[in-house]
Amino acid sequence: EPEVTQTPSHQVTQMGQEVILRCVPISNHLYFYWYRQILGQKVEFLVSFYNNEISEKSEIFDDQFSVERPDGSNFTLKIRSTKLEDSAMYFCASSTGTGGSASPAFFGQGTRLTVV
Amino acid sequence: QKEVEQNSGPLSVPEGAIASLNCTYSDRGSQSFFWYRQYSGKSPELIMSIYSNGDKEDGRFTAQLNKASQYVSLLIRDSQPSDSATYLCAVNTFSGGYNKLIFGAGTRLAVHP
Repeated sequence: EPEVTQTPSHQVTQMGQEVILRCVPISNHLYFYWYRQILGQKVEFLVSFYNNEISEKSEIFDDQFSVERPDGSNFTLKIRSTKLEDSAMYFCASSTGTGGSASPAFFGQGTRLTVV
Repeated sequence: QKEVEQNSGPLSVPEGAIASLNCTYSDRGSQSFFWYRQYSGKSPELIMSIYSNGDKEDGRFTAQLNKASQYVSLLIRDSQPSDSATYLCAVNTFSGGYNKLIFGAGTRLAVHP
């Protein structure tokens, strides 16, 4: 069964460093998303990506963050100059969703980012 | 701000009982609703989708939708200890031609033998 894959599963980085989280969405999906979940808190929307551009982003997704689809399969989230409060689980998701009645999003296993 | 509200729980039920999980949402224009299960430290796993008013059954799971009341629920029949997890209600919002899922904070379910 097709699945979303994320690498790495766990990343430890020093405050101020840049990290890149990688995702391979399901191959026939058109919409790609990044969500994050701080320990013990809700899953929060960061950004959606469609047709090689950002379609929507949340208030969390400021200039520190960027996304890219560098080739036909990978989808990346870059966090520049990481802060302690960026420590969270980051989930990539994808869907075929079009129009108002969207198909569900399928999630990767997540990357646990720890900023020290 | 479009919101999805859930009772955080924990909801504790005995093995074999029916677990009832509830969710309300604020965006009256939403058309698509999903229930995800999340085990501790794991990613959300889709268990049910519902798009029309009424009930939708899949095995031991039944999703119920009432758009007029902006209410979605999930019933789990014959609850098993393996059902112990956090259940996330997710509502699709569609604006500017694009979709995104908004999640509730989740209800923690504990099924005890």
